[in-house]
Amino acid sequence: DAVLTQSPLSSPVTLGQPASISCRSSQSLVHSDGNTYLSWLQQRPGQPPRCLIYEISKRFSGVPDRFSGSGAGTDFTLKISRVEAEDVGIYYCMQATHLPLTFGGGTRVEIK
Amino acid sequence: EVQLVESGGGLVQPGGSLRLSCAASGLTFSSYWMSWVRQAPGKGLEWVANIKPDGSEKNYVDSVKGRFTISRDNAKNSLYLQMNSLRAEDTAVYFCARAIRLDYWGQGALVTVSS
Repeated sequence: DAVLTQSPLSSPVTLGQPASISCRSSQSLVHSDGNTYLSWLQQRPGQPPRCLIYEISKRFSGVPDRFSGSGAGTDFTLKISRVEAEDVGIYYCMQATHLPLTFGGGTRVEIK
Repeated sequence: EVQLVESGGGLVQPGGSLRLSCAASGLTFSSYWMSWVRQAPGKGLEWVANIKPDGSEKNYVDSVKGRFTISRDNAKNSLYLQMNSLRAEDTAVYFCARAIRLDYWGQGALVTVSS
């Protein structure tokens, strides 16, 4: 299985400041079709997860442009350029290149 | 607007069975892979199973193989998860989600396995 390791576990951030979350995979996430199926999900308290970014860097419909994704192969990053109060929650990376689909352990973003 | 609505959760004894349903609207359901993902209380996300648009391919996480069956009815825009031989460790909120990239999620259905 592709094990996804996220860091940090928790990220206290001042409003308006940037935040960055890392996701490392135990194996390459490049699919045989050439695409890399690495997504980022946000789960606000008491809510289901929501897709923010798919295929490394593509923002999903309605996602603010302060969220961006980057990376390649086994190392990926989610960046929030200026954290807002509504960004509080747990962020997960997820890979769909290999079966079974797997998730990172999550990173909690909270306001200082 | 895409909507996914799960139903069928509840309390069941160990060894029992339960069938979850996911009603989809606002999308061409028959065009998409669909998945079930679960989240144990206070824990992270775990993918459970997915199914190809025409139902011809199904995949499962090892921990549920032989016990859970994913299926769909494209005429009814519905996804199902038949869960048999339930264990305490299957206790979780079960979400249905659209596509390989899991871009739309339902609100979830709570399944509690306890005597």
